[in-house]
Amino acid sequence: DIVMTQSPDSLAVSLGERASINCKSSQSLLHSSSNKNSVAWYQQKPGQPPKLLIHWASTRESGVPDRFSGSGSGTDFTLTISSLQAEDVAVYYCQQYQTSLFTFGPGTRVDI
Amino acid sequence: QVPLVQSGADVKKPGASVKVSCRASGYTFISHDIHWVRQATGQGPEWMGWMNPYSGTTGYAEKFQGRVIMTRNTSITTAYMELSSLRSEDTAVYYCARQYGSGWLDFWGQGTLVTVSS
Repeated sequence: DIVMTQSPDSLAVSLGERASINCKSSQSLLHSSSNKNSVAWYQQKPGQPPKLLIHWASTRESGVPDRFSGSGSGTDFTLTISSLQAEDVAVYYCQQYQTSLFTFGPGTRVDI
Repeated sequence: QVPLVQSGADVKKPGASVKVSCRASGYTFISHDIHWVRQATGQGPEWMGWMNPYSGTTGYAEKFQGRVIMTRNTSITTAYMELSSLRSEDTAVYYCARQYGSGWLDFWGQGTLVTVSS
């Protein structure tokens, strides 16, 4: 199985400042036929299911604020919140879908 | 409008089985794979497996092989996840989620808390 790791485990950022979360996979997630990376990012707030933010490593979902962006390729990926807002306090997870057996990262908690 | 609605919380004794349902609405049920993900308190999501509602084909995480069965009833657009031989470590919130495209999960059910306790 592909193992996903994330760093840091948690971070605290001032309002309006940038937050960056790293995700690393044990195998390349580059989808050869599409030349896209099979990584999604989710945001989860207490008592709620995860919410999809980004797929194909950098494609933002409709309705997701543009302060959220994804980047990276191969085995190393980053989710960036360019200007942290109070409502962004949550745990963030990466997920790979390179194989039919999906896996999630352990999560990164973002606080103010 | 939430397209995936799950059954309510359940309490089971060790060794028993639990079956969680996930009713889909507002889209073509057979066009999107359904995945099951569980999450213990304070832990990250743990992917359990997937099911193709059109064919019934399934794929399970190795950890759950032999203990989980995913099925569906297309006439009532409902997916099911049954987990057997329950132990205390299976206490978690169980989610169903719809796959869109190549593998991202765009809609999630509200979650079903399964508690395993003697």
